[in-house]
Amino acid sequence: GAVVSQHPSRVICKSGTSVKIECRSLDFQATTMFWYRQFPKQSLMLMATSNEGSKATYEQGVEKDKFLINHASLTLSTLTVTSAHPEDSSFYICSATGQGQTVAKNIQYFGAGTRLSVL
Amino acid sequence: SQKIEQNSEALNIQEGKTATLTCNYTNYSPAYLQWYRQDPGRGPVFLLLIRENEKEKRKERLKVTFDTTLKQSLFHITASQPADSATYLCALDRGGKLIFGQGTELSVKP
Repeated sequence: GAVVSQHPSRVICKSGTSVKIECRSLDFQATTMFWYRQFPKQSLMLMATSNEGSKATYEQGVEKDKFLINHASLTLSTLTVTSAHPEDSSFYICSATGQGQTVAKNIQYFGAGTRLSVL
Repeated sequence: SQKIEQNSEALNIQEGKTATLTCNYTNYSPAYLQWYRQDPGRGPVFLLLIRENEKEKRKERLKVTFDTTLKQSLFHITASQPADSATYLCALDRGGKLIFGQGTELSVKP
Protein backbone atom coordinates (compact mmCIF):
# COMPACT_ATOMS: atom_id res chain seq x y z
CA GLY A 1 0.00 0.00 0.00
CA ALA A 2 0.84 3.75 0.03
CA VAL A 3 2.17 3.96 -3.49
CA VAL A 4 3.20 7.22 -5.10
CA SER A 5 3.77 7.15 -8.83
CA GLN A 6 5.94 9.78 -10.49
CA HIS A 7 6.19 10.27 -14.22
CA PRO A 8 8.31 10.57 -16.27
CA SER A 9 11.30 8.89 -14.69
CA ARG A 10 13.67 10.63 -17.03
CA VAL A 11 13.36 13.56 -19.39
CA ILE A 12 15.82 15.29 -21.66
CA CYS A 13 14.82 18.63 -23.11
CA LYS A 14 16.25 21.61 -24.91
CA SER A 15 16.99 24.85 -23.13
CA GLY A 16 13.99 27.16 -23.09
CA THR A 17 11.33 24.47 -23.15
CA SER A 18 8.93 23.62 -20.33
CA VAL A 19 8.71 20.25 -18.66
CA LYS A 20 5.83 18.84 -16.63
CA ILE A 21 6.29 16.18 -13.98
CA GLU A 22 3.33 14.30 -12.54
CA CYS A 23 2.97 12.84 -9.08
CA ARG A 24 0.05 10.56 -8.26
CA SER A 25 -1.01 8.80 -5.09
CA LEU A 26 -2.42 5.48 -6.25
CA ASP A 27 -4.11 4.06 -3.18
CA PHE A 28 -4.67 6.95 -0.79
CA GLN A 29 -5.83 10.54 -0.72
CA ALA A 30 -2.83 12.87 -0.68
CA THR A 31 -3.89 15.87 1.36
CA THR A 32 -0.39 17.31 1.16
CA MET A 33 2.28 16.83 -1.48
CA PHE A 34 5.88 17.94 -1.36
CA TRP A 35 8.37 18.60 -4.14
CA TYR A 36 12.09 18.16 -3.58
CA ARG A 37 15.20 18.67 -5.61
CA GLN A 38 18.35 16.61 -5.13
CA PHE A 39 21.81 17.16 -6.57
CA PRO A 40 24.33 14.28 -6.69
CA LYS A 41 25.62 13.23 -3.29
CA GLN A 42 23.52 15.91 -1.62
CA SER A 43 20.45 15.99 0.54
CA LEU A 44 16.87 16.45 -0.55
CA MET A 45 16.02 20.13 -0.62
CA LEU A 46 12.36 20.97 -0.15
CA MET A 47 11.10 23.23 -2.91
CA ALA A 48 7.44 23.60 -2.08
CA THR A 49 4.48 22.18 -0.23
CA SER A 50 1.07 21.91 -1.82
CA ASN A 51 -2.32 21.19 -0.36
CA GLU A 52 -5.18 20.08 -2.53
CA GLY A 53 -7.15 22.99 -3.90
CA SER A 54 -4.88 25.73 -2.63
CA LYS A 55 -1.77 27.50 -3.81
CA ALA A 56 1.57 25.95 -3.13
CA THR A 57 3.86 27.32 -0.45
CA TYR A 58 7.39 27.76 -1.75
CA GLU A 59 10.57 27.59 0.27
CA GLN A 60 12.82 30.59 0.42
CA GLY A 61 14.87 31.01 -2.73
CA VAL A 62 12.60 28.92 -4.94
CA GLU A 63 11.08 30.88 -7.82
CA LYS A 64 7.37 30.22 -7.97
CA ASP A 65 7.11 31.47 -11.55
CA LYS A 66 9.88 29.10 -12.56
CA PHE A 67 8.52 26.04 -10.80
CA LEU A 68 4.75 25.95 -11.20
CA ILE A 69 2.95 23.56 -8.91
CA ASN A 70 -0.64 22.46 -9.27
CA HIS A 71 -2.47 20.21 -6.83
CA ALA A 72 -5.89 20.03 -8.42
CA SER A 73 -7.10 16.79 -6.90
CA LEU A 74 -6.45 14.58 -3.89
CA THR A 75 -4.42 12.19 -5.99
CA LEU A 76 -2.46 14.38 -8.41
CA SER A 77 0.11 17.14 -8.19
CA THR A 78 2.18 18.47 -11.06
CA LEU A 79 5.43 20.39 -11.18
CA THR A 80 6.16 22.36 -14.33
CA VAL A 81 9.68 23.64 -14.87
CA THR A 82 9.17 26.61 -17.15
CA SER A 83 11.78 27.79 -19.63
CA ALA A 84 14.23 25.20 -18.39
CA HIS A 85 17.95 25.91 -18.50
CA PRO A 86 20.95 23.63 -17.93
CA GLU A 87 21.21 24.75 -14.30
CA ASP A 88 17.73 23.29 -13.72
CA SER A 89 19.11 19.83 -14.47
CA SER A 90 18.59 17.79 -11.34
CA PHE A 91 16.70 14.93 -9.71
CA TYR A 92 13.18 15.98 -8.76
CA ILE A 93 11.24 13.91 -6.25
CA CYS A 94 7.69 14.23 -4.99
CA SER A 95 6.20 12.86 -1.80
CA ALA A 96 2.79 12.77 -0.22
CA THR A 97 1.13 12.48 3.13
CA GLY A 98 -2.51 11.75 3.47
CA GLN A 99 -5.33 9.75 4.85
CA GLY A 100 -6.50 6.25 4.25
CA GLN A 101 -5.95 2.73 5.41
CA THR A 102 -2.66 2.39 3.59
CA VAL A 103 -0.94 5.40 5.13
CA ALA A 104 0.50 6.27 8.53
CA LYS A 105 0.45 9.69 10.12
CA ASN A 106 3.49 11.94 9.64
CA ILE A 107 5.08 9.60 7.09
CA GLN A 108 5.97 10.89 3.64
CA TYR A 109 5.62 8.42 0.78
CA PHE A 110 7.96 9.18 -2.08
CA GLY A 111 7.79 8.80 -5.81
CA ALA A 112 10.69 7.24 -7.69
CA GLY A 113 11.96 10.61 -8.88
CA THR A 114 12.46 12.31 -12.24
CA ARG A 115 15.89 12.89 -13.71
CA LEU A 116 15.76 16.13 -15.70
CA SER A 117 18.56 16.91 -18.12
CA VAL A 118 18.41 20.25 -19.92
CA LEU A 119 20.68 20.54 -22.95
CA SER B 1 18.68 27.76 11.34
CA GLN B 2 18.40 24.02 11.85
CA LYS B 3 21.41 21.97 10.94
CA ILE B 4 21.57 18.21 10.49
CA GLU B 5 24.80 16.28 10.15
CA GLN B 6 25.27 12.65 9.21
CA ASN B 7 28.50 10.72 8.74
CA SER B 8 29.73 12.31 5.54
CA GLU B 9 32.07 9.48 4.68
CA ALA B 10 30.81 6.20 3.35
CA LEU B 11 30.58 3.35 5.82
CA ASN B 12 32.02 0.02 4.70
CA ILE B 13 31.35 -3.05 6.79
CA GLN B 14 31.50 -6.81 6.51
CA GLU B 15 28.37 -8.87 6.09
CA GLY B 16 26.97 -10.03 9.42
CA LYS B 17 28.32 -7.06 11.38
CA THR B 18 26.26 -4.26 12.89
CA ALA B 19 26.19 -0.97 11.03
CA THR B 20 25.77 2.16 13.14
CA LEU B 21 24.90 5.47 11.52
CA THR B 22 24.81 8.81 13.30
CA CYS B 23 22.56 11.82 12.91
CA ASN B 24 23.29 14.98 14.88
CA TYR B 25 21.25 18.13 14.82
CA THR B 26 21.44 21.65 16.25
CA ASN B 27 19.22 24.65 16.83
CA TYR B 28 16.02 22.68 16.97
CA SER B 29 13.92 20.34 19.07
CA PRO B 30 11.92 18.15 16.70
CA ALA B 31 8.78 16.38 17.80
CA TYR B 32 9.99 13.31 15.91
CA LEU B 33 12.79 12.07 13.74
CA GLN B 34 12.63 9.67 10.81
CA TRP B 35 15.05 7.44 8.93
CA TYR B 36 14.74 6.70 5.23
CA ARG B 37 16.63 4.49 2.82
CA GLN B 38 17.49 5.72 -0.66
CA ASP B 39 18.84 3.57 -3.46
CA PRO B 40 20.69 5.20 -6.42
CA GLY B 41 18.31 6.99 -8.77
CA ARG B 42 15.28 6.25 -6.61
CA GLY B 43 13.11 8.10 -4.12
CA PRO B 44 13.57 7.54 -0.37
CA VAL B 45 11.68 4.78 1.40
CA PHE B 46 10.50 5.23 4.98
CA LEU B 47 12.06 2.94 7.59
CA LEU B 48 11.39 4.15 11.13
CA LEU B 49 9.95 7.09 13.06
CA ILE B 50 10.87 7.87 16.65
CA ARG B 51 9.19 10.49 18.78
CA GLU B 52 10.84 12.88 21.21
CA ASN B 53 9.50 10.97 24.21
CA GLU B 54 10.81 7.63 22.94
CA LYS B 55 14.33 6.45 23.63
CA GLU B 56 14.44 3.50 21.28
CA LYS B 57 12.46 1.93 18.46
CA ARG B 58 12.97 -1.43 16.78
CA LYS B 59 11.78 -3.03 13.58
CA GLU B 60 13.19 -6.43 12.65
CA ARG B 61 16.98 -5.89 12.24
CA LEU B 62 16.69 -2.12 12.58
CA LYS B 63 17.03 -0.10 15.77
CA VAL B 64 16.84 3.65 16.26
CA THR B 65 17.72 5.63 19.37
CA PHE B 66 16.88 9.25 20.04
CA ASP B 67 18.74 11.33 22.63
CA THR B 68 17.15 14.76 22.83
CA THR B 69 19.77 15.94 25.32
CA LEU B 70 22.67 15.11 23.00
CA LYS B 71 20.52 16.04 19.98
CA GLN B 72 21.51 12.80 18.35
CA SER B 73 19.94 9.75 16.78
CA LEU B 74 21.72 6.47 16.12
CA PHE B 75 20.52 4.01 13.50
CA HIS B 76 21.63 0.41 13.77
CA ILE B 77 21.34 -2.44 11.29
CA THR B 78 22.20 -5.77 12.91
CA ALA B 79 23.33 -8.85 10.99
CA SER B 80 23.91 -6.64 7.96
CA GLN B 81 23.52 -8.03 4.45
CA PRO B 82 24.80 -6.84 1.06
CA ALA B 83 21.18 -5.95 0.25
CA ASP B 84 21.35 -3.33 3.00
CA SER B 85 23.82 -1.33 0.90
CA ALA B 86 22.21 2.04 0.22
CA THR B 87 22.21 5.65 1.41
CA TYR B 88 20.42 6.25 4.69
CA LEU B 89 18.86 9.62 5.41
CA CYS B 90 17.70 11.04 8.69
CA ALA B 91 14.99 13.67 8.66
CA LEU B 92 13.67 16.02 11.30
CA ASP B 93 10.12 17.20 11.56
CA ARG B 94 9.68 20.92 11.13
CA GLY B 95 6.02 21.70 11.55
CA GLY B 96 4.82 19.02 9.18
CA LYS B 97 7.74 19.38 6.80
CA LEU B 98 10.90 17.28 6.86
CA ILE B 99 14.46 18.56 6.88
CA PHE B 100 16.84 15.91 5.57
CA GLY B 101 20.45 15.24 6.39
CA GLN B 102 22.85 14.64 3.52
CA GLY B 103 22.79 10.91 4.07
CA THR B 104 25.35 8.24 4.82
CA GLU B 105 26.26 5.72 2.15
CA LEU B 106 26.49 2.21 3.57
CA SER B 107 28.27 -0.58 1.73
CA VAL B 108 28.04 -4.13 3.10
CA LYS B 109 30.63 -6.48 1.66
CA PRO B 110 30.01 -10.24 1.44
